[in-house]
Amino acid sequence: GAGVSQTPSNKVTEKGKYVELRCDPISGHTALYWYRQSLGQGPEFLIYFQGTGAADDSGLPNDRFFAVRPEGSVSTLKIQRTERGDSAVYLCASSYIAGDTQYFGPGTRLTVL
Amino acid sequence: AQSVAQPEDQVNVAEGNPLTVKCTYSVSGNPYLFWYVQYPNRGLQFLLKYITGDNLVKGSYGFEAEFNKSQTSFHLKKPSALVSDSALYFCAVRDDSNYQLIWGAGTKLIIKP
Repeated sequence: GAGVSQTPSNKVTEKGKYVELRCDPISGHTALYWYRQSLGQGPEFLIYFQGTGAADDSGLPNDRFFAVRPEGSVSTLKIQRTERGDSAVYLCASSYIAGDTQYFGPGTRLTVL
Repeated sequence: AQSVAQPEDQVNVAEGNPLTVKCTYSVSGNPYLFWYVQYPNRGLQFLLKYITGDNLVKGSYGFEAEFNKSQTSFHLKKPSALVSDSALYFCAVRDDSNYQLIWGAGTKLIIKP
């Protein structure tokens, strides 16, 4: 079946701009996770959703980062006033229920110039 | 605090030889341990996990991992390496109090023909 999809695959923006990154989870998966991966490092947790609500947003680095999942399926990660330090690969994962095995999308590579 | 250590940045193995990629962890509760593989320009692929039960876990592509509670380790192994196993391998852990994964920095596995 279809896996987790993420769009766009690459996003180049200028410092100070607003960006939205989209994640489409595996159909029927109720939990959705966002991670950020910088070059040469392991993924870093940002936020996870159980259904429509953010169950744990403790990994969001500051209030410029926000994520939504209004209908319990597709999620959007929103970054305001982007900074060069936001450049990374943003990974999305989903699982059937929270705590189950997480399956990852291919990621969105964000470059802030 | 939870943490994962992958002490080797790179592991080199000749094709046909056994391979081991090391992982040690620290959690406050019961550990849930995972191995993922990342090929260039592709997302993270799930290999195997330990939740409870038998300490030797078998996973995809002939990989297995051994959970050792006293040494807090979860090393990834394969009896006979293939050139196609060359990739970046990540160990991850969570405990039973939350669902976010904590990741190691990754180990680059190079299998030489």
